[in-house]
Amino acid sequence: GAGVSQTPSNKVTEKGKYVELRCDPISGHTALYWYRQSLGQGPEFLIYFQGTGAADDSGLPNDRFFAVRPEGSVSTLKIQRTERGDSAVYLCASSLTSGTTDTQYFGPGTRLTVL
Amino acid sequence: AQSVTQPDIHITVSEGASLELRCNYSYGATPYLFWYVQSPGQGLQLLLKYFSGDTLVQGIKGFEAEFKRSQSSFNLRKPSVHWSDAAEYFCAVVNTNAGKSTFGDGTTLTVKP
Repeated sequence: GAGVSQTPSNKVTEKGKYVELRCDPISGHTALYWYRQSLGQGPEFLIYFQGTGAADDSGLPNDRFFAVRPEGSVSTLKIQRTERGDSAVYLCASSLTSGTTDTQYFGPGTRLTVL
Repeated sequence: AQSVTQPDIHITVSEGASLELRCNYSYGATPYLFWYVQSPGQGLQLLLKYFSGDTLVQGIKGFEAEFKRSQSSFNLRKPSVHWSDAAEYFCAVVNTNAGKSTFGDGTTLTVKP
């Protein structure tokens, strides 16, 4: 079956622009996670959804970052007024539930470059 | 707050040699621990996980890890490394209130022929 997919795979934008990153989780997975991975570092938690609602958004760095999951499946991470420091690989993961023992399946990521 | 430390940024081993990647964690309760592998251009793939029970866990691709509570460690091992094991390896601990993970900064493995 299909795994987690993310589009686009690469995004280059200019400082100050708005970007949207999309994540398609594995069908039937109710939990969805966003992480950000900067060069030379491990993934850093941003936000997770259980169904349509954001259950924990404590990792979002500031109010320029926002994510939605309106129908409980596809999720979009939105970044306003991008800054060079936002350049990173944005990873999405999904799991059957948000239980701590559930395996998270990761997508290949979207590499965001802010010029 | 939970944290994970991977002391070795880069490790080089010869093909066929044994491997041990170190992971130390800080967590207030019983930790749920994971090892992932990430190859260039690929997503993170789960190698193995520990929740409870036997402290030696077996994973995919011939990897195993041992949980040592007294040392706050969860080191990854493989008896004989293959060239295809060259990748970046991440250790992670999961928050028991939800599935959000805290990752270490990774160890890059290079395999010499």
